[in-house]
Amino acid sequence: GAVVSQHPSRVICKSGTSVKIECRSLDFQATTMFWYRQFPKQSLMLMATSNEGSKATYEQGVEKDKFLINHASLTLSTLTVTSAHPEDSSFYICSARAGQGFYGYTFGSGTRLTVV
Amino acid sequence: LAKTTQPISMDSYEGQEVNITCSHNNIATNDYITWYQQFPSQGPRFIIQGYKTKVTNEVASLFIPADRKSSTLSLPRVSLSDTAVYYCLVGQTGANNLFFGTGTRLTVIP
Repeated sequence: GAVVSQHPSRVICKSGTSVKIECRSLDFQATTMFWYRQFPKQSLMLMATSNEGSKATYEQGVEKDKFLINHASLTLSTLTVTSAHPEDSSFYICSARAGQGFYGYTFGSGTRLTVV
Repeated sequence: LAKTTQPISMDSYEGQEVNITCSHNNIATNDYITWYQQFPSQGPRFIIQGYKTKVTNEVASLFIPADRKSSTLSLPRVSLSDTAVYYCLVGQTGANNLFFGTGTRLTVIP
């Protein structure tokens, strides 16, 4: 089946630094990938839609200059959290559509970001 | 996407059947109902999808009444490994993204 690989699985960084998270579709091409953020005991919140070869579409309230998204190829999207602060600590999850329908969505295993 | 309402949490003993109901009063004609499962510190995983009546796969069953304003995910004979959060999503299969509701935190007790 379709597999989405997300790396790293967890990262700790100092406040003010930037962190890059990678999301790769391993056995299919994804023109569109999605980035979610999930705080403890809460649901997934869609942050942005990443489009290959074009600018990402951000959800309301998500700072595009803080969460930089690059989707340079059909198998890789990256999310860079710039100038991270402790409030950016969260669980970040990417997903991609491998086919039609809701069952076409495949999720990565997530990245636990801790900003100290 | 249609708004969904689920119980925040449920407890069940091992071996029992668990039914989680989701309300989606504003479901549209072209909307499908899909359930995802999420374990701690992992991404969601697709469980089952349906449009009407009943759908069954190797993991669960999905019951949808004729008015489609609600749906029930049925997990037969749960085990400890079924402890997870279960999300009900409603929308068109051609939708370009997924919006998750609050989900139901199922705890299976030995």
